[in-house]
Amino acid sequence: DGGITQSPKYLFRKEGQNVTLSCEQNLNHDAMYWYRQDPGQGLRLIYYSQIVNDFQKGDIAEGYSVSREKKESFPLTVTSAQKNPTAFYLCASSLGRERNEQFFGPGTRLTVL
Amino acid sequence: SQKIEQNSEALNIQEGKTATLTCNYTNYSPAYLQWYRQDPGRGPVFLLLIRENEKEKRKERLKVTFDTTLKQSLFHITASQPADSATYLCALASGGAGGTSYGKLTFGQGTILTVHP
Repeated sequence: DGGITQSPKYLFRKEGQNVTLSCEQNLNHDAMYWYRQDPGQGLRLIYYSQIVNDFQKGDIAEGYSVSREKKESFPLTVTSAQKNPTAFYLCASSLGRERNEQFFGPGTRLTVL
Repeated sequence: SQKIEQNSEALNIQEGKTATLTCNYTNYSPAYLQWYRQDPGRGPVFLLLIRENEKEKRKERLKVTFDTTLKQSLFHITASQPADSATYLCALASGGAGGTSYGKLTFGQGTILTVHP
């Protein structure tokens, strides 16, 4: 059953702690993306990766870090430097250049206490 | 600066009518535009893609138009049903093959559609 998974679905964190959100895909997609969504707003791009061992900053990368050591996996770390981390985080993946439809995971809702 | 605006935050219509959602953009030269559906607490789901050289695309009850002169896309759902109630997002992609930003989408804020029985 192909798809993209994120875990956990809900995450609580104390201020000052780093936390890592998992994203895995078995669609054999080259590109992967992390977005943040706040209430009443669209998706904002945090980081994206077009190929293994390479990634670029999106529009709101400050306070976040990523790695892409395997094609299937693109974990996102929310560091203590992120000023307002409470949000809904979405991971997505896509095929090559001519067909950039993005497939999204179910999301992780992070709450900082 | 680049800006994407979806016409209204919320749209309410009666079942059976046609829903029309608008996506306007400024300071942008998109290679293509996409529409997604998002249900509460879930990830968006892709619906349709239209390229800059296409005027119209259809898929079942869905129709998308793309006017690069007006810098606008319209998204229509005909014979709407309560099950169509969701948030609809437009997304623009610029750049092309070889570009460093290829594959990167910028999303509008979404329009919440409610179809009343």
